[in-house]
This record gives sequence, structure tokens and C-alpha cells, in this order.
Amino acid sequence: AQSVTQPDIHITVSEGASLELRCNYSYGATPYLFWYVQSPGQGLQLLLKYFSGDTLVQGIKGFEAEFKRSQSSFNLRKPSVHWSDAAEYFCAVGGERGSTLGRLYFGRGTQLTVWP
Amino acid sequence: NAGVTQTPKFQVLKTGQSMTLQCAQDMNHEYMSWYRQDPGMGLRLIHYSVGAGITDQGEVPNGYNVSRSTTEDFPLRLLSAAPSQTSVYFCASSGRGNEQFFGPGTRLTVL
Repeated sequence: AQSVTQPDIHITVSEGASLELRCNYSYGATPYLFWYVQSPGQGLQLLLKYFSGDTLVQGIKGFEAEFKRSQSSFNLRKPSVHWSDAAEYFCAVGGERGSTLGRLYFGRGTQLTVWP
Repeated sequence: NAGVTQTPKFQVLKTGQSMTLQCAQDMNHEYMSWYRQDPGMGLRLIHYSVGAGITDQGEVPNGYNVSRSTTEDFPLRLLSAAPSQTSVYFCASSGRGNEQFFGPGTRLTVL
């Protein structure tokens, strides 16, 4: 069965500090992995995605994520957090072919608070 | 391109009422899906479609119906609304890369 675990419900960091949000997944086929961000009252914006190839992927707003197949993880990182990064972050997994296309399975989200 | 559009943005229903949430996309995507978002639960898949005329159930399909008569439209029907269906509903579409493009959401309250 497919599932995504985000172990941290809420993380607080100071502005300028580094950030790592954890994501572990379970998926029975080759996974496509995504990180989305949601600001309060807003929709979801794609930060980055992993399909294949280089396991370190770069996204928008200075975010990056590393895919580790052996650990079934896809952690999101940012070297220096800005106050505008305060939002909720969702990790998601989906399939890469055929009958697995067309939907994603999401984690429960990590709420990020940034102190000035 | 408008992307994915949803109507209405807000809706209040009484228990037992029915309604349809509308979703349309103009990206000629094969795949469309509906999710609900509840606090602390992330997004959960309700129904999805892999093309016109083909739909299937997701994780939480009970109480909802869908149909897909055209590539562009994928309405979600609540047959008899219940307070447990109070949620924010997101429609999404995707192509072969499985990257979901989300609509702005519909906030539904069932009294």
C-alpha cells in the first residue's frame, strides 16, 4: 500500500537558520516524489519533484530535496530560511507509468513557523 | 490559460442537501482528481479519472460521485451532505508526468 509519513507536525526555526523537513514513503512501484507548499488560505504550489536521475533535485525559492532509495526518504532542505517561508509543507508520492498515473498520496503536512 | 478552475469558492449546505462542485481544466490533461483537505490529515484522494468516461475510487470515496463526460470537466457530486463532509476540496489535473496542477479550492461547510 502507498503511504507518506511526515514525522514532524510542526517545526519552528529562526530566520536565517537552515531547515530540513523529513518525508518517508512506502510505494509498491517506482515512485515519483513531490514537495508542495501551502500558505494560509491558499492553494498548493509545487516546490520540486523527483522523477529519476540525479537524486538531489533543486526547486523554487531556494529549496532542494534528496531522494534516498535505501531509506525510502525524500527530505526537503533549505540553507537559510526567510520569514516568507512560513507555511505548510506537504510531501507526496505517485506512480510513474500506466495505471499508477493521475493521483498522488500525501503526507499529513509539516507546519513551519519562522521566528524573526 | 486559466489552468484548473473550481466553483464555487465557498458553500454552506444543510445536512441532507445535495450539490455539485465544478472543476474544469484547459491544459488538455488526461488525468483529473479530487482531494479533500482536513486539518492534520493532509490531502486525501476522493476519486480520480484517467480519461473521459473512466473514473475510479480513491482513499475516501464514500458519499461522493463523479463522472467525466469530457476531457475538460470533472464535477464532484455530494448526494446527501453530512457534517463529516465539511472540508476544503481541491481539484487537480495532470499529464503523463503525474505533476498535479491544483485549483484554488472550494471551502464547504455542512450544518
